[in-house]
Amino acid sequence: GAGVSQTPSNKVTEKGKYVELRCDPISGHTALYWYRQSLGQGPEFLIYFQGTGAADDSGLPNDRFFAVRPEGSVSTLKIQRTERGDSAVYLCASSLTGQGVNEQYFGPGTRLTVT
Amino acid sequence: KQEVTQIPAALSVPEGENLVLNCSFTDSAIYNLQWFRQDPGKGLTSLLLIQSSQREQTSGRLNASLDKSSGRSTLYIAASQPGDSATYLCAAKPSYSGAGSYQLTFGKGTKLSVIP
Repeated sequence: GAGVSQTPSNKVTEKGKYVELRCDPISGHTALYWYRQSLGQGPEFLIYFQGTGAADDSGLPNDRFFAVRPEGSVSTLKIQRTERGDSAVYLCASSLTGQGVNEQYFGPGTRLTVT
Repeated sequence: KQEVTQIPAALSVPEGENLVLNCSFTDSAIYNLQWFRQDPGKGLTSLLLIQSSQREQTSGRLNASLDKSSGRSTLYIAASQPGDSATYLCAAKPSYSGAGSYQLTFGKGTKLSVIP
C-alpha cells in the first residue's frame, strides 16, 4: 500500500511569509506526528495527533507554528512569519495508534528554505 | 530529559566487512527502540523495532540488540554492501504516559560508507 506522502517536496519562501506543509498518512493510521530535522541533526518532535485532536504539541517551538488535522487523516503544518532559522526538513510520520508499540512510518519530508 | 547518542558520527568500511553501530540513551525507561536508515535528501526508512521486553530483532543481514539496564543498543550489519551506505539513526520511545510520551527521541546518526 501507499506510504506517507508529503507535499511539496521543496519549498522556498521569503522571510516573513506564511507557509503550509501537507502530510497524507498511511490509510487507517490514527496517529500522526510532525518532526523537524536540521542539517546534521536527528529529527526533533513537534506535534502528535491522535485522530483529529492534537494530543501533544509540546515540541512546537513558538506560536508561529500551528498544525491541524480536521478529518483525522490529512494534516497541515502552518508556519506564520517565517524566519531563516525555520529552514529545515519537516518530516511527517504515522502509526496505527499512538498507544503501545507503535512503529512510526515516515514520509520523504518537505525541505523548507527561508531566504 | 532523554538524550540519545550515536558514536561514531561517521564510519567507512570496505565491502564485505561485518560492522556494528552503537546507540546509547540516558533514560532506561523506554517502551521501544527503533532503528532507521536515511538516504541523502530522503525520509527515514524503519529497519527494526525492539520492544523493551526484547533483547534483539533480526531482519535479513541486520540484527539489533537492546540492553535497557546499560542504556545501549547496537545495530549489526553482516557482509556489508555499497548499497548499505546511508545514515543510520536510532530513536527511543519513552515508557511513561502524558506529554512527551508519544515522541521518538533521535540520535544524530552514524553516516556509513561502504567502499567497493
